[in-house]
Amino acid sequence: GAVVSQHPSRVICKSGTSVKIECRSLDFQATTMFWYRQFPKQSLMLMATSNEGSKATYEQGVEKDKFLINHASLTLSTLTVTSAHPEDSSFYICSARPPTGRGYNEQFFGPGTRLTVL
Amino acid sequence: ILNVEQSPQSLHVQEGDSTNFTCSFPSSNFYALHWYRWETAKSPEALFVMTLNGDEKKKGRISATLNTKEGYSYLYIKGSQPEDSATYLCASAGGTSYGKLTFGQGTILTVHP
Repeated sequence: GAVVSQHPSRVICKSGTSVKIECRSLDFQATTMFWYRQFPKQSLMLMATSNEGSKATYEQGVEKDKFLINHASLTLSTLTVTSAHPEDSSFYICSARPPTGRGYNEQFFGPGTRLTVL
Repeated sequence: ILNVEQSPQSLHVQEGDSTNFTCSFPSSNFYALHWYRWETAKSPEALFVMTLNGDEKKKGRISATLNTKEGYSYLYIKGSQPEDSATYLCASAGGTSYGKLTFGQGTILTVHP
């Protein structure tokens, strides 16, 4: 149980294009999902918290107009990197928190997406 | 300690060796400490969630201890096997980031046959 999928696993795009990454909880409903970014040799950094049916909460320094998050259902959240530039190249990973995990902020992770912007 | 820090950054051991590594985290407003194992090209796998000072948890050959007063947790692997090779992440839920997880950089473990 507690499986989270993420698609695509790898994407290469041209500068200026937009890229959408999907995060799905396969066997549980997640009212809250999280999006992280990891640069080389650094820790996972939280970008935003996504709540089903409401606007995402972004961490300080993360541009909400550049990283659009949609959490339209209890099993799907999407992250769209708009007008991507080479500096957006990174590893993006999502997690989902089941309702029972709220107490300790238990999160289950997808496998991540490697984005390369040329 | 303001951030979550893990040491060492990487570790190479021989098959059969026992090993351990450290996670340091802010002790104020502590809520929970998570350990994950992350193999290449896979999802991070939850190992333990620890909440009580002095807590000790075990899963097979892997165990972890928690000291919330001084803000550290140790992860132990007994009789390391090549399949234990992975990045081990710890994350703190609490402090100034209540409701979120703050991750350390991870310890990369390589077990040589």
